[in-house]
Amino acid sequence: GAVVSQHPSWVICKSGTSVKIECRSLDFQATTMFWYRQFPKQSLMLMATSNEGSKATYEQGVEKDKFLINHASLTLSTLTVTSAHPEDSSFYICSALLAGAADTQYFGPGTRLTVL
Amino acid sequence: AQSVTQLGSHVSVSEGALVLLRCNYSSSVPPYLFWYVQYPNQGLQLLLKYTSAATLVKGINGFEAEFKKSETSFHLTKPSAHMSDAAEYFCAVSSPNAGNNRKLIWGLGTSLAVNP
Repeated sequence: GAVVSQHPSWVICKSGTSVKIECRSLDFQATTMFWYRQFPKQSLMLMATSNEGSKATYEQGVEKDKFLINHASLTLSTLTVTSAHPEDSSFYICSALLAGAADTQYFGPGTRLTVL
Repeated sequence: AQSVTQLGSHVSVSEGALVLLRCNYSSSVPPYLFWYVQYPNQGLQLLLKYTSAATLVKGINGFEAEFKKSETSFHLTKPSAHMSDAAEYFCAVSSPNAGNNRKLIWGLGTSLAVNP
């Protein structure tokens, strides 16, 4: 149980284009999902908290107009990287919060974004 | 404010030896504590969690961790390392009183190498 998927698993795009990444909780409903960014050999950096039916809460320093988050249903959150640039290349990971004991986060497999 | 310190960014053990990965936390309230494992180019998998029940927590793949309030520690152990245990391990803390702010505070991670 508590499976989270991400799509695509990897994407290569040209500079200036937009890329959408989907995060789905497959066997549970998640009112809250999180989006992280991870640089090589580093820990996770929280970008934003996505709440179903409301605006996402962005961490300090994260551009909300560049990283658009939509959480339209209890099983789907999307992250759109707008006008991507090479410095946006990274590993993006989402997690879905399983409410209840300890509010545990379950993670997707990640999306490798490469911007040329 | 909560914080997590993982002592030792790199740990190397021989196959069959004891694995000990250290995690100390700082929290003004009794925390929830988590250990996650990340294999290369993958998302994070929950190993185990402490939720204020039993102080010795058993997880998947033979790992366990003991919550020691007096030492503010939650070290991860495994009696006998396998080659397949080689991965990045992250300790994280959250607050049971977080309400809508259920963010995880992450350690910087410990890279475990298992030598044949």
